Amino acid sequence: AQKVTQAQTEISVVEKEDVTLDCVYETRDTTYYLFWYKQPPSGELVFLIRRNSFDEQNEISGRYSWNFQKSTSSFNFTITASQVVDSAVYFCALSEARGTDKLIFGTGTRLQVFP
Amino acid sequence: EPEVTQTPSHQVTQMGQEVILRCVPISNHLYFYWYRQILGQKVEFLVSFYNNEISEKSEIFDDQFSVERPDGSNFTLKIRSTKLEDSAMYFCASSEAEGLQISYGYTFGSGTRLTVV
Repeated sequence: AQKVTQAQTEISVVEKEDVTLDCVYETRDTTYYLFWYKQPPSGELVFLIRRNSFDEQNEISGRYSWNFQKSTSSFNFTITASQVVDSAVYFCALSEARGTDKLIFGTGTRLQVFP
Repeated sequence: EPEVTQTPSHQVTQMGQEVILRCVPISNHLYFYWYRQILGQKVEFLVSFYNNEISEKSEIFDDQFSVERPDGSNFTLKIRSTKLEDSAMYFCASSEAEGLQISYGYTFGSGTRLTVV
């Protein structure tokens, strides 16, 4: 069965600190996709990244970076030099590459960045 | 950039009433979804819809729920007789292709917050 675990419920940092949000997933499939979404206080879901299971290259986009490790079934997200605008709930999600591609979300990590 | 549009943004309804949540997916998309997020909790899959029929539904999607694409542009979620526990944010999403072949997967709407009183 598919499962996504985000063990960190809430993280608080001071602006300019680096912060890593953990995500561990379970799936029996060899082909799957992993996602991160940001949910700001306004409530919408903002797509951040999608990774397929065959691409273990780490990705960097500005202050954001993602570390995908198949060996540990983890897909961690790091924000470098955090800013107040990064305050949000961040969700990791998994989808298997068959059927209807439904997303299985983790429980989310609430990040608070203080000035 | 194309958007998935959901209306209304907030709806308050009395327990036992029927409610219809509306979504306009991106025009060339073929796959449609509803997700639910109870306040402070994770986002949960409700149902997927393709070729005018339900492809998959979760345990949450019981007989109280139904979906429809009445006119080729709207995609609706109906809750027949609302309960207090139906209070949640409901997200509509659409995607162009099967297997998430596009790099961004789904496009989510901004959600409808349903409050059942």
